[in-house]
Amino acid sequence: GQQVMQIPQYQHVQEGEDFTTYCNSSTTLSNIQWYKQRPGGHPVFLIQLVKSGEVKKQKRLTFQFGEAKKNSSLHITATQTTDVGTYFCAVPRGGNNRKLIWGLGTSLAVNP
Amino acid sequence: EAQVTQNPRYLITVTGKKLTVTCSQNMNHEYMSWYRQDPGLGLRQIYYSMNVEVTDKGDVPEGYKVSRKEKRNFPLILESPSPNQTSLYFCASSFQTGAETPLHFGNGTRLTVT
Repeated sequence: GQQVMQIPQYQHVQEGEDFTTYCNSSTTLSNIQWYKQRPGGHPVFLIQLVKSGEVKKQKRLTFQFGEAKKNSSLHITATQTTDVGTYFCAVPRGGNNRKLIWGLGTSLAVNP
Repeated sequence: EAQVTQNPRYLITVTGKKLTVTCSQNMNHEYMSWYRQDPGLGLRQIYYSMNVEVTDKGDVPEGYKVSRKEKRNFPLILESPSPNQTSLYFCASSFQTGAETPLHFGNGTRLTVT
């Protein structure tokens, strides 16, 4: 069945270092969403990517959708302690626009 | 303020004692959903609703019930809770469908069943 793999599972960086998490799908996607969950918090929507090769930026965060629309990445430049949390990707389930498949997330820890 | 409100935040109960977790949204969203989050298993969908009186099963519906009698409310009912339902539960809502518009999550309900 359809799978979404997120790597790495964990990442520990020094403040100021860059960070990247990847989301890979076994099928072509219509869109992909990214969420952030702070420790003890709830998932918060970050962005949705729709177009092949799309790149979107939010301050230090850069989101990219692959040309084949089967993978995506989230890159954080010069991490800060406020970036700590788990980053999830979520994709529509096999043409069903009512259900999402979630990656297991990448947990980011930042050493000050 | 636009929000999804879940209650209670924490709940400890015993096996077999019926409970309800409430969820309400003030954004006039069509779509609402319940998730459970467990370590190593990520977010798994329990039930979802496309509109009033329209509900459907997610990936892990066993042991749960839902209802959507009003657009704003989507309670999660555990008729006979068991220890394997100990988890962190999130309610979420979305403007239209569940996979093409952003989901807004409640603060979560941490349930412990002993």
